[in-house]
Parts: sequence; structure tokens; C-alpha cells
Amino acid sequence: DIQMTQSPSFLSTSVGDRVTITCRASRSIITSLNWYQQKPGQAPKLLIYTASNLQSGVPSRFSGSGSGTEFTLTISSLQPEDFATYYCQQSYSDPTFGQGTRLDIK
Amino acid sequence: QVHLVQSGAAVRQPGSSVKVSCKASGGTFTSYGISWVRQAPGQGLEWMGRIIPRLDMATYAQKFLDRVTITVDKSTSTVFMDLRSLRFEDTAVYYCAAVPVAGSRFFDPWGQGTLVTVFS
Repeated sequence: DIQMTQSPSFLSTSVGDRVTITCRASRSIITSLNWYQQKPGQAPKLLIYTASNLQSGVPSRFSGSGSGTEFTLTISSLQPEDFATYYCQQSYSDPTFGQGTRLDIK
Repeated sequence: QVHLVQSGAAVRQPGSSVKVSCKASGGTFTSYGISWVRQAPGQGLEWMGRIIPRLDMATYAQKFLDRVTITVDKSTSTVFMDLRSLRFEDTAVYYCAAVPVAGSRFFDPWGQGTLVTVFS
């Protein structure tokens, strides 16, 4: 299995902050990397697919980049509704997820 | 776009089995694969397996190979996930999620989730 490691696991942030979450793969996955947002009691929601493609309906403050083994999700200016847990997921082989990054209000 | 609705919560005893359903509506059912992903309380996401309804072909994560079966009833656009020999650690929310058959392989949309509690 390809292991996915996110950092940080937890981030205390404020509205308006620029936030960057990193996801590292145990071996190259080219650009087969997706990002999801999950709020308590809800199913995950797709934000970014294939490393940098914004899913329809997702605000443009979300962006993704990277290739190979290192990827980032950036939120340019954090909004109140963005406080949630974020997961990366590789689709290069049988799917695996990062452990999640929880954004909390400072 | 396809919409996925799952069956309701279930409580089972250790050693028993549970069958969770995922009914698709809208969209083109045969354009998607359906995966199952579970989430234990307070934990992350874990992929269990998938089925491609058009081919009636299922594949499973190694961890679940001997305990899970994913099937499809194409007449009702419903996918089923059967998990056997339940253990306390199988207590989790189980999600189905659609994956495009062609192109990028991401999970979208997701079902609402089904809580399975293993309790003696």
C-alpha cells in the first residue's frame, strides 16, 4: 500500500489566515491526489482532484499543487465555514487516505 | 449527477454479519464504480473495496479480503456491502462513494453514511 502522511495533524487558525496543508506519499503517485473536506456528522466532500483541479462549486480560495510525492492544499483566506478536517487521498493504486488535518478556531 | 442514499443504522453482535445498501438515483449508474469507505469513531478514512456495476466486478482491500463482499443489483441501481464475522473494532460509519469509471478516480458524491455498531 502507498502510505499518505499529512502535516500538520492539527492547526489552530483564525478567519482570514492563509493555510497550507501538506501531504506526502511513500512513493511517487504522479498527480493522482485528491483532497476532501469533512465536517462533523457529514460525509467527506471533494475539493480538489488530480492534485490541482478545483471541483465544480468549490470556492476559488481553495487550491492544490504538487506532483510526485509532495502535495499541498492551500486556503487563501480562511472563512468561518472552512473549520473542518481535511484529508488527502491517493488514487494511483488502491486508495489510501492521509490521517487528516483538523482546523480549529484560534 | 448520481445521488447515493444508504440504508439505516444497524446494531449487531460480535461474530454476526451486516449488509449495508447504497441506492443510486439520477446520473448514469453504469458510468460509475461504487466504493465503500469506513470511518471508526474519531478516526480517519479507510477504503474497503469497490465494484464496477457495468462489469459486475468487485475488488477488495487486502485487509478485508476474507470478510467483505460487495454486490450490485443493476435492476434497482443498488450496491450492497456485506461484512462478516463482525468485531467490536468494526464499529464505524460506512460510506459508499461514486468513482468515475473513466478519467480521474476520485470519490464524488458520497452517501450519507450508515453507522454500524458492534455491541454485545
